[in-house]
Amino acid sequence: DIQLTQSPSSLSASVGDRVTITCRASQTVSDYLNWYQHTPGQAPKLLIYTASTVKLGVPSRFSGTGSGTRFTLTISSLQPEDVGTYFCHQSYSVPRTFGQGTRVEI
Amino acid sequence: QVLLEASGPRLVKPSETLSLSCTVSGDSVSSSSFYWTWLRQAPGKGLEWIGFVFHTGTTNLNPSLEGRVTISIDRSNNQFSLKLNSVTAADTATYYCAREGRRGYDISGYNVWGQGSQVIVSS
Repeated sequence: DIQLTQSPSSLSASVGDRVTITCRASQTVSDYLNWYQHTPGQAPKLLIYTASTVKLGVPSRFSGTGSGTRFTLTISSLQPEDVGTYFCHQSYSVPRTFGQGTRVEI
Repeated sequence: QVLLEASGPRLVKPSETLSLSCTVSGDSVSSSSFYWTWLRQAPGKGLEWIGFVFHTGTTNLNPSLEGRVTISIDRSNNQFSLKLNSVTAADTATYYCAREGRRGYDISGYNVWGQGSQVIVSS
């Protein structure tokens, strides 16, 4: 199974700060890497797919980069509504696997 | 708008079978563009992929569930279903149905999710 390791596991930042979350894969996933935001009581929301494509409707402050085994999710200017847990997911192989999540607080 | 709605018992006794169905509206489970997927999240844990079913009925399941899981498709009712046998307290989780796009056919990743069904395994 491909293991995805996120860092940090949690962070606290101020409104307007630039936030970066890293996801490392135990073996290559090419660009089959997706990012989600999960808030309590709701289903996760897809933010970025194929490593760097921002889903239509997602604010432009979200961006993703990377390929192979190292990926990053960046929020260029943190907003109050961005609070939640962010996790990565690989759709390169089965079983599909997920990072353990990064909790973002203001 | 595509909606997924999961239904089924929320309380299951140990050793019995957990059964959930996911009704799809706004799309068809007969579409070849998607993998119809079940996932779960146990309390305090990360997401776990259970498996998916393709429109042909072909499935791909998580080996970690040791043959206890079945995922099937019901084209007449536009649903797909999950059965998990011999449940224990470790199967207590929020279960999600989701639609994963096939690369080259649609947005890859889980672009559509059901609302989540909290299932408790307890006597």
